[in-house]
Amino acid sequence: QLVESGGGLVQPGGSLRLSCVVSGFTVSNNYMTWVRQAPGKGLEWVSLIYSSGNTGYADSMRGRFTISRDNSKNTLYLQMNSLRGEDTAIYFCGGGPNSGNSGPASWGQGTLVTVSS
Amino acid sequence: DVVMTQSPLSLPVTLGQPASISCRSSQSLVHSDGNTYLSWFQQRPGQSPRRLIYKVSNRDSGVPDRFSGSGSGTDFTLKISGVEAEDVGVYYCMQGTYWPSFGGGTKVEIK
Repeated sequence: QLVESGGGLVQPGGSLRLSCVVSGFTVSNNYMTWVRQAPGKGLEWVSLIYSSGNTGYADSMRGRFTISRDNSKNTLYLQMNSLRGEDTAIYFCGGGPNSGNSGPASWGQGTLVTVSS
Repeated sequence: DVVMTQSPLSLPVTLGQPASISCRSSQSLVHSDGNTYLSWFQQRPGQSPRRLIYKVSNRDSGVPDRFSGSGSGTDFTLKISGVEAEDVGVYYCMQGTYWPSFGGGTKVEIK
């Protein structure tokens, strides 16, 4: 089970940290991702982290967003800085066993981030 | 970046009838490890996405066998052998051979 939290309303230029608490598998041993969906739009990849610790980011988020994990809490994070209106979306965490290059096998319910003044 | 193009955008289907969704990639999805990382996801209204198919044709656990995936290289297809009411939603293809990307989605609705 994956449970996201941390979404909310933030002003342009502000910051937010999303959390994804995982049960049923070990975050540090698995490929984990963040995917977002703007209102009424399709899915967009945000960031990923491999079991090795290597990370990747979509071009528009690189330098502003940071993915990390806390092994002791079995939790995935997404630190989002310099937020813009176009970052408004539902953010889903995903991953787990049998994920990797085939995309997330398990998904959370999502947390809504709204960037507006 | 690899662009994934799905068609049609909208697919009205009569209950019990088959449905087919096409997905084309701008580059071959054959990975250097020999696998082709093409997956299909279903997103029912108001729900999170759910993976149905991975590596072109492998069904995830619990996915009904009316769903099947096929294709190679740059052309892929998701077929539903007989659409049921619970199949209504948006279907996305996704490639993971390169930096991952999704197709734009195909909305399946009942006629």
